Amino acid sequence: AQSVAQPEDQVNVAEGNPLTVKCTYSVSGNPYLFWYVQYPNRGLQFLLKYITGDNLVKGSYGFEAEFNKSQTSFHLKKPSALVSDSALYFCAVRGESGNTGKLIFGQGTTLQVKP
Amino acid sequence: DAMVIQNPRYQVTQFGKPVTLSCSQTLNHNVMYWYQQKSSQAPKLLFHYYDKDFNNEADTPDNFQSRRPNTSFCFLDIRSPGLGDAAMYLCATAARGSDRLFNYEQYFGPGTRLTVT
Repeated sequence: AQSVAQPEDQVNVAEGNPLTVKCTYSVSGNPYLFWYVQYPNRGLQFLLKYITGDNLVKGSYGFEAEFNKSQTSFHLKKPSALVSDSALYFCAVRGESGNTGKLIFGQGTTLQVKP
Repeated sequence: DAMVIQNPRYQVTQFGKPVTLSCSQTLNHNVMYWYQQKSSQAPKLLFHYYDKDFNNEADTPDNFQSRRPNTSFCFLDIRSPGLGDAAMYLCATAARGSDRLFNYEQYFGPGTRLTVT
């Protein structure tokens, strides 16, 4: 069965410091991996995705993620955090064999960036 | 700007009183999804449409129904809302490529927060 794990409920970072939000996955076949961000009382916003190709994926708002097949991880990173990055982050996976486009979400990680 | 619109943003209904939430999109995407999200938990897929083909998740209660009269609009009907149905309801859309793979990102609307009294 496909699954996604975000091992940290909350990540606290000081503004200007690098941030990492962790994600590991389990799928059969090649994974399609996504990161979304959600601000309070808003829908999810797409940040980036990995389908194939370069393991380092660059996305919106200065975020990037590194796909590591051997560790089955897809951690979200940003070199210098902003207070405005504080939000709820979801990692999601879609199996290659899926024919519905269903996203399997992790449980979410709250990122708190302090001034 | 192309977007996904949900109305209303906030909906209050009484226990057992039917309610309809609406979603429209200007992206011309052929796939539309409805999710339920409770208390900052992960969104839970209820069902989705690929064009007019309806796909229900196995654990979606019968109390939840959906209609998609055309490409642009999709409705979520809750026939007899219970207190446990209070949640944020998210609509999303996605394109499906000619390779028949769902490797395109989903675009989410702002959500409708449903309160059941």
